[in-house]
Amino acid sequence: EAGVTQSPTHLIKTRGQQVTLRCSPISGHTSVYWYQQALGLGLQFLLWYDEGEERNRGNFPPRFSGRQFPNYSSELNVNALELEDSALYLCASEAFGHFGDGTRLSIL
Amino acid sequence: DAKTTQPPSMDCAEGRAANLPCNHSTISGNEYVYWYRQIHSQGPQYIIHGLKNNETNEMASLIITEDRKSSTLILPHATLRDTAVYYCIVRPFQGAQKLVFGQGTRLTINP
Repeated sequence: EAGVTQSPTHLIKTRGQQVTLRCSPISGHTSVYWYQQALGLGLQFLLWYDEGEERNRGNFPPRFSGRQFPNYSSELNVNALELEDSALYLCASEAFGHFGDGTRLSIL
Repeated sequence: DAKTTQPPSMDCAEGRAANLPCNHSTISGNEYVYWYRQIHSQGPQYIIHGLKNNETNEMASLIITEDRKSSTLILPHATLRDTAVYYCIVRPFQGAQKLVFGQGTRLTINP
C-alpha cells in the first residue's frame, strides 16, 4: 500500500508569489489534512478536506486555500507569499494521521 | 491549544528503555491518548494509542494511569534511530478530528 505522497519535496519562492502544493492520500482514504510546521515550532492545523468539501480550517489568513479532487487528492494554495510562510507543509491522510514527508517551502 | 504537557527534552542510553511522560489532566472520557514521533525532516509517524488499558505493539508500550491524567510511552530497547521528537496527543477516536500537536519531547539516544 502506497503511503501519503506529497509534491514537490522542496520549493523556493520569493515574496508575493503564489504556490501550489499537492497531496495524494492513501488509497481509499477520503480525508486530507494540511499542517504547517514552521522552523522551531510545532505542527499547526491548516485545513481539512473530506469528500471534496472543506470541513474545517485553522487560524490562517484567507490567502491559504485549497481544494480536494474527486480522486481525493488535494492541493494547498498560498497566495501573496510572505517570509513567515517558510515552513514544512505536511499532509495527513485520515484523522488517524498517516503523514507524508511534506513539502519544504522557502521564501526568499 | 494542546491538551498535553511533555518535558521539552530527554536523553537515553542506547539499549536502555526510554520512558517518555505525558500529562493530560483535562482528558475527557471519550478521548484517547495518541503518540507520534517525528524524525528530522520527515512527517510524523504514528506509534500507538490507547483509552485506559495499557497497550503494546511492535514499536512501543503505552502505560496510562488509572485516573487517565497521565501516560508514559516506553521504548523498551532504544536505538540511535529512535532519536526524534515525540508527541503525545489526546483526541476522540470516533469522528474526524484534527490533531492538535504540542511542542513534544525531543528524545536523544546516546551511544
